[in-house]
Amino acid sequence: AQRVTQPEKLLSVFKGAPVELKCNYSYSGSPELFWYVQYSRQRLQLLLRHISRESIKGFTADLNKGETSFHLKKPFAQEEDSAMYYCALIHYGGSQGNLIFGKGTKLSVKP
Amino acid sequence: DTGVSQDPRHKITKRGQNVTFRCDPISEHNRLYWYRQTLGQGPEFLTYFQNEAQLEKSRLLSDRFSAERPKGSFSTLEIQRTEQGDSAMYLCASSSGAGVTETQYFGPGTRLLVL
Repeated sequence: AQRVTQPEKLLSVFKGAPVELKCNYSYSGSPELFWYVQYSRQRLQLLLRHISRESIKGFTADLNKGETSFHLKKPFAQEEDSAMYYCALIHYGGSQGNLIFGKGTKLSVKP
Repeated sequence: DTGVSQDPRHKITKRGQNVTFRCDPISEHNRLYWYRQTLGQGPEFLTYFQNEAQLEKSRLLSDRFSAERPKGSFSTLEIQRTEQGDSAMYLCASSSGAGVTETQYFGPGTRLLVL
């Protein structure tokens, strides 16, 4: 079954510290993975996708097919990074892809 | 604001009542999705439209739920005979493109509380 697991409900770090938000997936096939972010009182928005291999707001994520992981990393956390982060994969059933989300990790960056 | 909009933003209803939510996607986006998010969970897929055609429905979408997108633009999600377990945030997303180029843009959601 297709599944996304985010083992940490809450991650608290100090400003300037490295941060890693863990994401593991289960998917039969070649996955397309995403990180979505939801800042306080804002809507869910795409942060990055693995296929583009880009860095957004200093965040990167590498797909590791051997470990079935797609961890989100940032070398130096900022207070404005505090938000809810969701890892997701696209599941293609029929003609389209719907997103399957993990339960999310709340990142709190302390001053 | 040219993003996805949803109305109402909040809805409180009594068990057994019917409710209807509206989603206005980004103009010219041909794909529209409904998700449901309960406390402590990520969004869960409910249903999907390509233009006016409803192409897929999740097992989560019981027969009390119905969704429409009559002209391929806005969509409505109706819940009949609401139950307390229907209390959740209902999210709408729209997208264009397909495959690796598709990006789903989410609305602010409608928070439903069933008393």
